Formats: sequence, C-alpha cells, structure tokens
Amino acid sequence: ILNVEQSPQSLHVQEGDSTNFTCSFPSSNFYALHWYRWETAKSPEALFVMTLNGDEKKKGRISATLNTKEGYSYLYIKGSQPEDSATYLCAPSGGYQKVTFGTGTKLQVIP
Amino acid sequence: ETGVTQSPTHLIKTRGQQVTLRCSSQSGHNTVSWYQQALGQGPQFIFQYYREEENGRGNFPPRFSGLQFPNYSSELNVNALELDDSALYLCASSSGPQGNEQFFGPGTRLTVL
Repeated sequence: ILNVEQSPQSLHVQEGDSTNFTCSFPSSNFYALHWYRWETAKSPEALFVMTLNGDEKKKGRISATLNTKEGYSYLYIKGSQPEDSATYLCAPSGGYQKVTFGTGTKLQVIP
Repeated sequence: ETGVTQSPTHLIKTRGQQVTLRCSSQSGHNTVSWYQQALGQGPQFIFQYYREEENGRGNFPPRFSGLQFPNYSSELNVNALELDDSALYLCASSSGPQGNEQFFGPGTRLTVL
C-alpha cells in the first residue's frame, strides 16, 4: 500500500484565479497515476491516467504533470470557475490495480 | 452505454449483522474494484475482481468478502459489522485490471449503529 499525500487539504480561490495542487507518492514500484474530480453528491470522475515520467495531460483548463523519479504529480487549473469546485483526488497504483487514494484537495471557487 | 450502478444507496445496520452491497459494472468492463471511504479519508482499496476471481486485496480483514458474477456484476459482503464499518462504499469498473481508467458508481452509504 502506497503512502500518498496531497496538498493543500483545502483551498479557496476567486473565480478567474489559477491554482495548482500536489500529489506525492513513493517513486518505487510505480505503475500509473490517476487524477479524479469528485463533486459533492456525485461519483468520482476520472480526469487523467498517467504512466510515463514527464507525462503531461490536458483537458480544457485542467492539466497535470507527472514525475515518477521523484514521486510527485501536479494538477493545474487555469482560470478557475465555480463549477471547478470539487475534491480532487490522486491515486497512484503499483500495478494490478492496487490503487491507493490520497485524502484529496478540496477546492472552493468563489464567484 | 450503461454506467456503474450500486444498490442500495443507503443502509442502516446494527453491530454484528451482515450486509451485502451490489454493483453493476459498466457495459464491456470485466473488472470491479471496491473501496471504503470513511469520513475525512480518501477511498481505501478493499479488493478487486477480474473475470470472477479476486485479483488483489487491500488491508481489510477476511470478514470483508466479495463475488463477481459471469455478467461481471459484483457483491461486497461484510460479516460481523462493527461501528467503524460505517462509511461510503464505492465500486468502480474498468476494462482491465492494470492501471485502466476506472468508472465509479454513486456509492452505498452504510451506517452501523
């Protein structure tokens, strides 16, 4: 089971601000890293699956980078909107879907 | 394409009882993973089923058991319920067991009194 840390635990940003969060995980025995967005009263929604060191993925205003050698991933949101308010979870896996979730970063975008 | 469904949505049990939670996987998916999310924590991996066989297990006692059926739907059974079992139970289906994108159901909220 991997030790996964996400920071910050929560943050409030103004609409239009850009923000980023960090996911740290052990660099050994890495297979893939998943980012999820979890809105209140909904199911977690997959944002990205990343496997290669140096990977960068982008979906609209949200992007993510991966460094498997040092064991971290960043998630960036450009020009935050109120609909971006959610908890963002990262989940590295060490293969065979032994996925370990972080506790998440709770984002509140203030209109 | 049908999404992942779970039943029931809410459940209240008392200590010592047994409970069965159900999950229907997304069409075309052969893998189901179960997670427990206690208050203030991220989802914790319970186990995974791939093609009707258990394919990996997290740090949960044997009273947590499961099944996967030929249509790839799955059950999570918990015996001898304890107060600490109160949590949101999520299932997620995927098209394979290794690092594939998972699609989550809405969860079952279990309360143990």
